[in-house]
Amino acid sequence: AQRVTQPEKLLSVFKGAPVELKCNYSYSGSPELFWYVQYSRQRLQLLLRHISRESIKGFTADLNKGETSFHLKKPFAQEEDSAMYYCALSVMDSSYKLIFGSGTRLLVRP
Amino acid sequence: DSGVTQTPKHLITATGQRVTLRCSPRSGDLSVYWYQQSLDQGLQFLIQYYNGEERAKGNILERFSAQQFPDLHSELNLSSLELGDSALYFCASSVGPTSYEQYFGPGTRLTVT
Repeated sequence: AQRVTQPEKLLSVFKGAPVELKCNYSYSGSPELFWYVQYSRQRLQLLLRHISRESIKGFTADLNKGETSFHLKKPFAQEEDSAMYYCALSVMDSSYKLIFGSGTRLLVRP
Repeated sequence: DSGVTQTPKHLITATGQRVTLRCSPRSGDLSVYWYQQSLDQGLQFLIQYYNGEERAKGNILERFSAQQFPDLHSELNLSSLELGDSALYFCASSVGPTSYEQYFGPGTRLTVT
C-alpha cells in the first residue's frame, strides 16, 4: 500500500537550532517525493522535490531508498520557518496523484 | 498568489443537506484536483479531472461527486452531509494530466451541524 508517515505532529525548536522533519514512505514503485509547506494564512505550496536536489530557503531533503525516508533538514532554523510541513509521495498511475503525510507543525521559538 | 480560486470560503450547513463547492484553476491549467483535510485524516486526495474528464479517483465517498466544465472550472458536490464531512476542502490545479507541481487554492471550510 502507498503511504506517507510523518511521525511528529509538532516539532518545536529554538531559532538557530538544526531542524529535521521526518518522513517515511511506503511504495513498491520508483518514488517521487516532495515537501509542501503551508505558512499561516497562506496556501499550501510546493517547497522542494527530491528530483531537483535543490535547496530552498535553506531546506534540503535527501531520498534514502534503503530507509524509505525523505527527511527535511535545515541547519539553522529561523522564526519565519514556522509552518505546517507536508511530505508527499507521487503515485504515477493515470495521473500524478499525491499522497500526503499527516503533516508536522514546525514552531521556531525566538 | 497561485491563481486558484475557491468559493465559498466558509459554508455552514445541516446534516442531510447538499452543498456545492466551486474551484477555478490557474489560467492555462487543465487539471483540477480535490482534497479533503480533516483533523483526524490529514490531507486526502479525492478526485482529479483533466480537461473535462475524470482522470484519477482517491478516497471519495459515493455521496460526493465532481465535474469539470468546458471553461475548466470544477465543482465538488457533497450530498447527504454528515457531521464527519466537516473539513477543509482544497482544490489544486496543474498544467497537465501528470504534473507533480500542484497549485493549491485557499480552501473552503465546511461545517456540518
